[in-house]
Amino acid sequence: GEDVEQSLFLSVREGDSSVINCTYTDSSSTYLYWYKQEPGAGLQLLTYIFSNMDMKQDQRLTVLLNKKDKHLSLRIADTQTGDSAIYFCADLVPGYALNFGKGTSLLVTP
Amino acid sequence: DGGITQSPKYLFRKEGQNVTLSCEQNLNHDAMYWYRQDPGQGLRLIYYSQIVNDFQKGDIAEGYSVSREKKESFPLTVTSAQKNPTAFYLCASSMPATDTQYFGPGTRLTVL
Repeated sequence: GEDVEQSLFLSVREGDSSVINCTYTDSSSTYLYWYKQEPGAGLQLLTYIFSNMDMKQDQRLTVLLNKKDKHLSLRIADTQTGDSAIYFCADLVPGYALNFGKGTSLLVTP
Repeated sequence: DGGITQSPKYLFRKEGQNVTLSCEQNLNHDAMYWYRQDPGQGLRLIYYSQIVNDFQKGDIAEGYSVSREKKESFPLTVTSAQKNPTAFYLCASSMPATDTQYFGPGTRLTVL
């Protein structure tokens, strides 16, 4: 599949907002996803956005999609220590499986 | 409870032995997937199956084999031909309508 790129590490203070960025290259992507992985666990689906949408909000999570620039971001408001995890961006190309980025490790400090 | 189960959670094998990882789902999903995760590498697709009795190779299928005899089950065999099998293996499933994938808890395989 085509490339999905993410920064590898992000550190924020508890209570601040976190913004995790992702870029993808496949223009035929239909859905874009954010997953969360805690140590030793599987991936938990956080949210997803259809490619014809610009924004999606779900409680503390806001997803922004810039389809022209192939840029996706996940904003976590009021970040808590329990949000510390690895966050994966993935895009779906029809007829295939998901393309995953390498994940962004989010560290939330008190 | 509906979900995806993988067993065992930890698996140790000697080099040269084949080993089979279990993945079962009761979500009535048609499609199932196997991924391999290595530190700093993200997830890489091994095999996927859109329907019973059919499956396709992913990006890193060499040294692995699968079967899909039942909708609920998609076992993965790591053969002795896989040169570096120690990794975390994740199974997922999805409905065709949304393609949204849901993951199991994973199996950590260590080859000694």
